[in-house]
Amino acid sequence: QVQLQESGPGLVKPSETLSLTCTVSGGSNPIYYWSWIRQPPGKGLEWIAYIYSTGSTNYNPSLKSRVTISVDTSKNQFSLDLRSVTAADTAVYYCAREVASGHFDSWGQGTLVTVSS
Amino acid sequence: QSALTQPPSVSGSPGQSVTISCTGRSSDVGFYDRVSWYQQPPGTAPKLMIYEVAHRPSGVPDRFSGSKSGNTASLTISGLQAEDEADYYCCSYTSSRTWVFGGGTKLTVL
Repeated sequence: QVQLQESGPGLVKPSETLSLTCTVSGGSNPIYYWSWIRQPPGKGLEWIAYIYSTGSTNYNPSLKSRVTISVDTSKNQFSLDLRSVTAADTAVYYCAREVASGHFDSWGQGTLVTVSS
Repeated sequence: QSALTQPPSVSGSPGQSVTISCTGRSSDVGFYDRVSWYQQPPGTAPKLMIYEVAHRPSGVPDRFSGSKSGNTASLTISGLQAEDEADYYCCSYTSSRTWVFGGGTKLTVL
């Protein structure tokens, strides 16, 4: 059973870069799409970006100018960088595995990132 | 990309059925059969309940069913149980190769 675990700072200052890593364990097949999804407190889910194991990526158009997603298959990790953050980026950030047929079948527990000075 | 449209809340009594709608556009819900539904109790990560419009993952009760007509997908929960109380989100793949979620629906079991 695959497990995903987010890690990174829980507090980021405005205008700085939010950086998170997702570590994947327990899976035997590394060829999947991997996504970041966030949820502001009390609000709905927002898809941020995905990366394929080969390195191909795609981004939410509303965030594309500030986001980079990357993968390190040797460490079974993928990462998110979100630049120039504001309070509106405060959210629980989830990493998730996307099955090619089109759904997120495994999720991390989520990590709360607060943007505040 | 605009979020898919869901009713903010629905409710039903134990044993009843409820349906949650999810309306998108011809570029997302209407474009592919890649609509999925997620259940999220408070303070927990979302859990996949339905994928590819109407398929249930192993372990999801058959009380949960999905369908789609045109640009609108639906999740029906029959034989409501107290444990079904949660937020529910639909999600669709888009013609731009991105993903879009609905705004979420809070299900209250009366």
